[in-house]
Amino acid sequence: DSGVTQTPKHLITATGQRVTLRCSPRSGDLSVYWYQQSLDQGLQFLIQYYNGEERAKGNILERFSAQQFPDLHSELNLSSLELGDSALYFCASSVAGIWNEQFFGPGTRLTVL
Amino acid sequence: AQKITQTQPGMFVQEKEAVTLDCTYDTSDQSYGLFWYKQPSSGEMIFLIYQGSYDEQNATEGRYSLNFQKARKSANLVISASQLGDSAMYFCAIKGGNQFYFGTGTSLTVIP
Repeated sequence: DSGVTQTPKHLITATGQRVTLRCSPRSGDLSVYWYQQSLDQGLQFLIQYYNGEERAKGNILERFSAQQFPDLHSELNLSSLELGDSALYFCASSVAGIWNEQFFGPGTRLTVL
Repeated sequence: AQKITQTQPGMFVQEKEAVTLDCTYDTSDQSYGLFWYKQPSSGEMIFLIYQGSYDEQNATEGRYSLNFQKARKSANLVISASQLGDSAMYFCAIKGGNQFYFGTGTSLTVIP
């Protein structure tokens, strides 16, 4: 158990809908990272937050947005969902935004029907 | 922009033997970091090892070592004394600036 929690574990929804994925980092970790793993695109880095501020941005679609709250948990919002958004979404956290010290959560499996 | 190439979709190794998983990269950055992750069939991602571009020594973490050849732009993962629990997907990744890219992965199967 990495100490990073993600909810829900599984999510099934329809095209065009909007969902919110939640991540709670390890106690004391200030940085949160989001990743997408799909059959089409493989593993992709989406976005990083550090202490509430966006720190780095990867291949995140405009339909996706994220934020990190004062209690350091983070949410990834996916809207206007398409079939291709079906994927495993990982959250990771690290103490000070140091990438080689990331701990990953178990992931949220999103299925868009 | 950065790019990671893992040319071995699948590898097999006998238990207790060593195995090398290949990773080559392309980047125009002077400062970058190379990472290896393990993903067992259960799905979780596990960080294994990191090498900074300015690190002169090859990184080691227990049975994992990174064979870093900067001029060849390669960052191969060496797993010594393979165990059955090493059977998993292995991903190489590169970070340059605020961008981070994964390779397509190598599936390693350890044979008893």
